[in-house]
Amino acid sequence: QSVLTQPPSASGTPGQRVTISCSGSSSNIGSNTLNWYQQLPGAAPKLLIYNDNQRPSGVPDRFSGSKSGTSASLAISEIQSEDEADYYCAAWDASRKGPLVFGTGTKVTVL
Amino acid sequence: QITLKESGPTLVKPTQTLTLTCTFSGFSLSTDGVAVGWIRQPPGKALEWLTIVYWDDDKRYSPSLKNRLTLIRDSSRNQVVLVMTNMDPVDTATYYCAHGTRRPSCSGGTCYHFDYWGQGTLVTVSS
Repeated sequence: QSVLTQPPSASGTPGQRVTISCSGSSSNIGSNTLNWYQQLPGAAPKLLIYNDNQRPSGVPDRFSGSKSGTSASLAISEIQSEDEADYYCAAWDASRKGPLVFGTGTKVTVL
Repeated sequence: QITLKESGPTLVKPTQTLTLTCTFSGFSLSTDGVAVGWIRQPPGKALEWLTIVYWDDDKRYSPSLKNRLTLIRDSSRNQVVLVMTNMDPVDTATYYCAHGTRRPSCSGGTCYHFDYWGQGTLVTVSS
């Protein structure tokens, strides 16, 4: 069902920078803003980034988002052990009453 | 403080109809720029968006599921009810409801992100 493509996994040692990509099309990422969600093990998803690069209150500034064309990225600078989680990108489809589409998800491991 | 909680059966049989209730507090679904959505996640798999109801009672449904989904809003009880017909084992998943917020200086249904989530409820479809 996912139409946004993410790498299945990413990893880094504490303090490293980790980047996750999200690839879509002109009908989703190319037309609407992107949101990122973090899902810790056994927990509900949590909003991490909205409107391509905005952080909700309480989200550490080591998380940052960017977008170019039909692709987007989430960067975790100076990754910490508590950042080990699944990450999902999401964007609305541009068609009339179009759906929200999620990415395939990326599991981030802190080595 | 915004909270949402999903409730409903944990086990349904194939072909049955699933009814899940999202009970929320800390906000009104009648407030401009607010929405409530449903998202599900099969065990070990990715998130899948199902449906959303906006403050003005507009709704959107997943194209692949729209013939099976109905969303009912009960503002007086602060509840949103998801009805899914003809359940199948592939519908086994954790079902989440979430509060949606429209970002500033934006209009339209695509301006929303989900900023508060319920804890989710696992629904198993099996005979």
